[in-house]
Amino acid sequence: RKEVEQDPGPFNVPEGATVAFNCTYSNSASQSFFWYRQDCRKEPKLLMSVYSSGNEDGRFTAQLNRASQYISLLIRDSKLSDSATYLCVVNENNAGNMLTFGGGTRLMVKP
Amino acid sequence: DAGITQSPRHKVTETGTPVTLRCHQTENHRYMYWYRQDPGHGLRLIHYSYGVKDTDKGEVSDGYSVSRSKTEDFLLTLESATSSQTSVYFCAITKGLGGGETQYFGPGTRLLVL
Repeated sequence: RKEVEQDPGPFNVPEGATVAFNCTYSNSASQSFFWYRQDCRKEPKLLMSVYSSGNEDGRFTAQLNRASQYISLLIRDSKLSDSATYLCVVNENNAGNMLTFGGGTRLMVKP
Repeated sequence: DAGITQSPRHKVTETGTPVTLRCHQTENHRYMYWYRQDPGHGLRLIHYSYGVKDTDKGEVSDGYSVSRSKTEDFLLTLESATSSQTSVYFCAITKGLGGGETQYFGPGTRLLVL
């Protein structure tokens, strides 16, 4: 069983649509949570952290449910430029500050 | 921008040859990491370092060694490259993020082992 699980997609949505990605993690001791974005043939880049109270950054909203060990990312008013792979990432509070990565969810926004 | 560079950016080599990849950072971060990324497997940790000459193994360390003789450089060596080591290799550092820490990645090295 993977420690961080995501639906690989692809999610094909029209411009302007709202799309949501979910992620589950298995380690209840996990402390920090993040969403990264990875464009084709590029490195992963931090999109946003995920806080227990939920947080928003423009069109992006991230939420964490510790009881269900579930993280979500909502993208409103999708743009063509949002097309990428979104990685759910968990810091399991280990000695090496190591992160555990989900396999990623691919989003394709169509005109 | 986390000030991370990787070299080379692309490399083609033959099975059995040694290969060294370099990760260089300019911001004096303590933690550095090497990952590989393959279709169907996502990002997997190879080795990491928590200081000069302090390293530890990750999930997929077999066939790889690392060295860190200076804070700014973290080297990944494939002693005898195999075709299964064809991959994209990313270096990362840990950086504070307002109450937490997360990782920032270099641009990657694409390695093809023939």
